[in-house]
Amino acid sequence: VTLLEQNPRWRLVPRGQAVNLRCILKNSQYPWMSWYQQDLQKQLQWLFTLRSPGDKEVKSLPGADYLATRVTDTELRLQVANMSQGRTLYCTCSADAWGGHQDTQYFGPGTRLLVL
Amino acid sequence: KTQVEQSPQSLVVRQGENCVLQCNYSVTPDNHLRWFKQDTGKGLVSLTVLVDQKDKTSNGRYSATLDKDAKHSTLHITATLLDDTATYICVVGDRGSALGRLHFGAGTQLIVIP
Repeated sequence: VTLLEQNPRWRLVPRGQAVNLRCILKNSQYPWMSWYQQDLQKQLQWLFTLRSPGDKEVKSLPGADYLATRVTDTELRLQVANMSQGRTLYCTCSADAWGGHQDTQYFGPGTRLLVL
Repeated sequence: KTQVEQSPQSLVVRQGENCVLQCNYSVTPDNHLRWFKQDTGKGLVSLTVLVDQKDKTSNGRYSATLDKDAKHSTLHITATLLDDTATYICVVGDRGSALGRLHFGAGTQLIVIP
């Protein structure tokens, strides 16, 4: 059983348009949910970690603006806007429970965005 | 500047052979280190997490070491299988909570051939 689902799995994004991504957690015992981004051939980069329903954060990085929202205990959203033309971006979410060697972190399958 | 360096960049081994992947980092503080496996087109799967100053973990055919003094970790895969073909990513966390930052390496691409 997949712990995290993401939708959409991929999207062609017209230049200037924002896109909304969803991450659904199947088991609410993993309270910390995070977003990561990755450009083609580059390392994954942490964006946000949100714990509680109602938490929101914004971030502006070279190439895109981000708004993350923890909607419920089991849903995390990411709005990506102002992406650079021609960019291929991979966004993935994770969920984890912290506890030393018992630490477990799970990742979703990711969403691939291609900006036209 | 890259704070997590992995080597080799890629590695080809024959099925049944053992292999060792290296991770050197400069992240400070270094609270914990994780190794992930990423199959093509799929999400990351956690293999192990190392926490102590000098730590060792074992998870089936995967075993790992961490030396925080040397800021160095290794991932050993014994008796490789074709399904071990994947990218292995080393991640260093700078705090013991989800509010800390995670620093990702670029990964080692492992290819296991028959």
